[in-house]
Amino acid sequence: AQSVTQLDSQVPVFEEAPVELRCNYSSSVSVYLFWYVQYPNQGLQLLLKYLSGSTLVKGINGFEAEFNKSQTSFHLRKPSVHISDTAEYFCAVSENTGKLIFGQGTTLQVKP
Amino acid sequence: KAGVTQTPRYLIKTRGQQVTLSCSPISGHRSVSWYQQTPGQGLQFLFEYFSETQRNKGNFPGRFSGRQFSNSRSEMNVSTLELGDSALYLCASREGTGQLNQPQHFGDGTRLSIL
Repeated sequence: AQSVTQLDSQVPVFEEAPVELRCNYSSSVSVYLFWYVQYPNQGLQLLLKYLSGSTLVKGINGFEAEFNKSQTSFHLRKPSVHISDTAEYFCAVSENTGKLIFGQGTTLQVKP
Repeated sequence: KAGVTQTPRYLIKTRGQQVTLSCSPISGHRSVSWYQQTPGQGLQFLFEYFSETQRNKGNFPGRFSGRQFSNSRSEMNVSTLELGDSALYLCASREGTGQLNQPQHFGDGTRLSIL
């Protein structure tokens, strides 16, 4: 069965600093990868997706992620974070059945 | 285009009762999935419906059931509620004609509290 590991449960960072949220997945077959963000009292918002093609994927709000097949990783990055980026971030893998397998989430805390 | 709409937003029930949650997908989306989110277990897949048929099911007891109507709206039912059913229930609809590689778009969820 596929699984997703988000290596950090919390990531504190100062405003305007760069950030990387790490995600590793386990799968022996082709996968589709996603990053979602959840703000308090809201659902999940899609940040970006990797389906195929270029391994560097750009998403909304200045986020990007790089798919690395050999390391089975899909890390999320942003060169300069804002206070408004404070939220919980989820990495997800789509199985061939279509259901999403989520990591446990990483709380990004942006400090002024 | 309106997003995924879930009603109600908040619900309080007592043990042993049953509850029905509703989800209206984005217009044109025919696939609807349900997920349960809890602090301990995280986000877990419940089931997916496509064109009124259950296409996939997660590892939840039979107390959890769902259905989809011809207009793609979906309902989820939980019977004989237990304290552990307290959670945020999220509904998601899938782009396109339900291809498995298409992203899912989520509603804001229904917060269910069991007393």
